[in-house]
Amino acid sequence: GAVVSQHPSRVICKSGTSVKIECRSLDFQATTMFWYRQFPKKSLMLMATSNEGSKATYEQGVEKDKFLINHASLTLSTLTVTSAHPEDSSFYICSARTSPSNEQFFGPGTRLTVL
Amino acid sequence: ILNVEQSPQSLHVQEGDSTNFTCSFPSSNFYALHWYRWETAKSPEALFVMTLNGDEKKKGRISATLNTKEGYSYLYIKGSQPEDSATYLCACSAGGFKTIFGAGTRLFVKA
Repeated sequence: GAVVSQHPSRVICKSGTSVKIECRSLDFQATTMFWYRQFPKKSLMLMATSNEGSKATYEQGVEKDKFLINHASLTLSTLTVTSAHPEDSSFYICSARTSPSNEQFFGPGTRLTVL
Repeated sequence: ILNVEQSPQSLHVQEGDSTNFTCSFPSSNFYALHWYRWETAKSPEALFVMTLNGDEKKKGRISATLNTKEGYSYLYIKGSQPEDSATYLCACSAGGFKTIFGAGTRLFVKA
């Protein structure tokens, strides 16, 4: 299947700092990428849908000013957690959708720990 | 609101048993149904994507069916093996192509 990379895989930061996570589709172009967050002992919760060249669509309850998403090209989307706090500590994972098969491939995820 | 539900939440079977789990989703505005296999500390592995009512897909001992009219999909595992132990996630894409995941079925296969 198609390959999606995510960087960094793990990040530890101090409270109040901002963290940028990159999601890249390596061998295909993805007009749509998704950002998910895993809560403890729960499945993946969709945070936002990122479309290349347009503003991201955020799910209810997700603060767009806190979780900035940029999808500048067909192979790269970034999620920036601004002014991170300990409650933002989580596993963040992105996925990219192929066309026309509509398959979705996941990155390996980023473990964020905010001290 | 797109609500995807999976059952059971967890399942314990013996090696060699065949098993199946259910994913239910709203039938209106349906676009695609995805099944993933997810092991801890790894990214979800795509198993199947189905779009048409009546679709059946198979990969080795794993197969899936889709009923878009009544809004459900079944995932079957024949002759379960310990390496099949994982969380099986289903996800539904609706109009607008937003993909929402169910909570998953955690499968434990005992040797």
